[in-house]
Amino acid sequence: ILNVEQSPQSLHVQEGDSTNFTCSFPSSNFYALHWYRWETAKSPEALFVMTLNGDEKKKGRISATLNTKEGYSYLYIKGSQPEDSATYLCARNQAGTALIFGKGTTLSVSS
Amino acid sequence: EAGVTQSPTHLIKTRGQQATLRCSPISGHTSVYWYQQALGLGLQFLLWYDEGEERNRGNFPPRFSGRQFPNYSSELNVNALELEDSALYLCASSFGTVSSYEQYFGPGTRLTVT
Repeated sequence: ILNVEQSPQSLHVQEGDSTNFTCSFPSSNFYALHWYRWETAKSPEALFVMTLNGDEKKKGRISATLNTKEGYSYLYIKGSQPEDSATYLCARNQAGTALIFGKGTTLSVSS
Repeated sequence: EAGVTQSPTHLIKTRGQQATLRCSPISGHTSVYWYQQALGLGLQFLLWYDEGEERNRGNFPPRFSGRQFPNYSSELNVNALELEDSALYLCASSFGTVSSYEQYFGPGTRLTVT
């Protein structure tokens, strides 16, 4: 069982705030860690895929880091905007397996 | 480029009936995944098909089944529907079976069992 835990469950910030979420997972047999953004009434959208310990990825104001030895990943959003409001999902898999998702962190950004 | 498509958008069935959900992957993608999101739960992995073969199966009963056609589209069948099968069913596709490939999701089918 590849339980993936995400915290916090939900988060409310003001426009311009920076924020971060945590994804923790069993570090054994690790292969890849995925982050997705899921906006209401839309499909989940892939943000990052990371495979190596120490990986850092960035897309605009959003970045992510990976620690496979201790089993966690952080997602950072700099200068949150209302359009960042969504549920952020992380998921991991072993080689040759499908994704196991966490329950997500729901971010709400007020203007 | 067209994304992953799913049909129908909504499906209402009664207990004991069968439901068939359909998914068309992105052109060139050979892997299709099915996930279920029931109320209060995260996305749960159901089935994975690649090149017409079932590659992996989640912790769901055998009444959840599916197949992948030669054009890589896929069907998910749920037999003997139960009330707890009411959920959003998402299909995703990827280019091959490498675990680090991104999965691209469709808009989902909302199944309601009454």
